[in-house]
Amino acid sequence: DAGVIQSPRHEVTEMGQEVTLRCKPISGHNSLFWYRQTMMRGLELLIYFNNNVPIDDSGMPEDRFSAKMPNASFSTLKIQPSEPRDSAVYFCASSLAVGTGIRSGGYTFGSGTRLTVV
Amino acid sequence: SQQGEEDPQALSIQEGENATMNCSYKTSINNLQWYRQNSGRGLVHLILIRSNEREKHSGRLRVTLDTSKKSSSLLITASRAADTASYFCATEASGSRLTFGEGTQLTVNP
Repeated sequence: DAGVIQSPRHEVTEMGQEVTLRCKPISGHNSLFWYRQTMMRGLELLIYFNNNVPIDDSGMPEDRFSAKMPNASFSTLKIQPSEPRDSAVYFCASSLAVGTGIRSGGYTFGSGTRLTVV
Repeated sequence: SQQGEEDPQALSIQEGENATMNCSYKTSINNLQWYRQNSGRGLVHLILIRSNEREKHSGRLRVTLDTSKKSSSLLITASRAADTASYFCATEASGSRLTFGEGTQLTVNP
């Protein structure tokens, strides 16, 4: 398995533009997570999906952020319009839940997308 | 908000020495996990310990969990320069949210 695949690796955009980050989880994993990492705030959970259904989006900063998971092999995180304070590394992770609150192992993280909004 | 808090924030040791990092958390958990992150890279899962386990080993890694004290420790024995990285503990409570601490920056000097 190629692991969790994120694209693009780097994104530089101007303030006000729309940004779409993409993630392909590991085949067979039923949970997908979007995290954001900054020096100031560390790793923050933005949203997670179980079986393609959003379970908790309380970490999404504001309405400018949206996430979708149309099928088990693809998810997007969209920021519209983007602002300089959105600059961060965005990670996607997937894992396998075998029961309520029970995981078969840890999370597998992608390499991240480094977003810079100027 | 961060659930886990790592201690120390930074640790610098010589190659061959052991490194111990600690993590404290606040609420009941299903499991606790440790991850490593090399500079500019993604996080790599190291080990998962469940709430009913007290100790777990994986190669040069040893993790302990004390649920009465809500704390965990990660021991890396016979450290190598390649172990230089940030180490994060993360806790998972019911509801499947993994919450990370702020990490310990480990530097192993050759």
